[in-house]
Amino acid sequence: GPKVLQIPSHQIIDMGQMVTLNCDPVSNHLYFYWYKQILGQQMEFLVNFYNGKVMEKSKLFKDQFSVERPDGSYFTLKIQPTALEDSAVYFCASSDRRRTEVFFGKGTRLTVV
Amino acid sequence: DAKTTQPDSMESTEGETVHLPCSHATISGNEYIYWYRQVPLQGPEYVTHGLQQNTTNSMAFLAIASDRKSSTLILPHVSLRDAAVYHCILTVKGGSAKLIFGEGTKLTVSS
Repeated sequence: GPKVLQIPSHQIIDMGQMVTLNCDPVSNHLYFYWYKQILGQQMEFLVNFYNGKVMEKSKLFKDQFSVERPDGSYFTLKIQPTALEDSAVYFCASSDRRRTEVFFGKGTRLTVV
Repeated sequence: DAKTTQPDSMESTEGETVHLPCSHATISGNEYIYWYRQVPLQGPEYVTHGLQQNTTNSMAFLAIASDRKSSTLILPHVSLRDAAVYHCILTVKGGSAKLIFGEGTKLTVSS
């Protein structure tokens, strides 16, 4: 079936540094999402993105976070600067214009040290 | 988005039919009932969804109460691969498909 690819699967970054998480969404999908899951806790919505703009964001989507999808390529989540509490698994997701089903990637585990 | 209530956990044996309940007493008329499942180290996976009528697909049967205040996800002949956390989520029809996850029901399947 359709797949959302996330690269890399695990990233370790020094606190205060910038990190960019990359997501290759399903081809022809129009809606894109980022979710955050701290180990052992429930999945939390961060942001959704459509037509080049952020549609909605949660309280967890801090000012240090930004998303973009330049030229229809990767959908990225950038964190600058990173903090220890940003350590989590970040899941990218996408859906088509009908938004009937949301497809998730396998996540990128971010460890901030 | 309206909230849902699910049992924390359920246990089953391979080959059984499992009924996973979900209560959504304050559901709005324009809200769909979605089910996703998640296994460790994986992203959530879509299972099924419905608005008012019961629905069925290759994975499950979704039974929706006539007043829409509750629903039951029915998994026929479960296997070890069906062990996961199952989430019952309400989303607004025509909305952004933002998903608000709760704790879900952890389904354990034994051989």
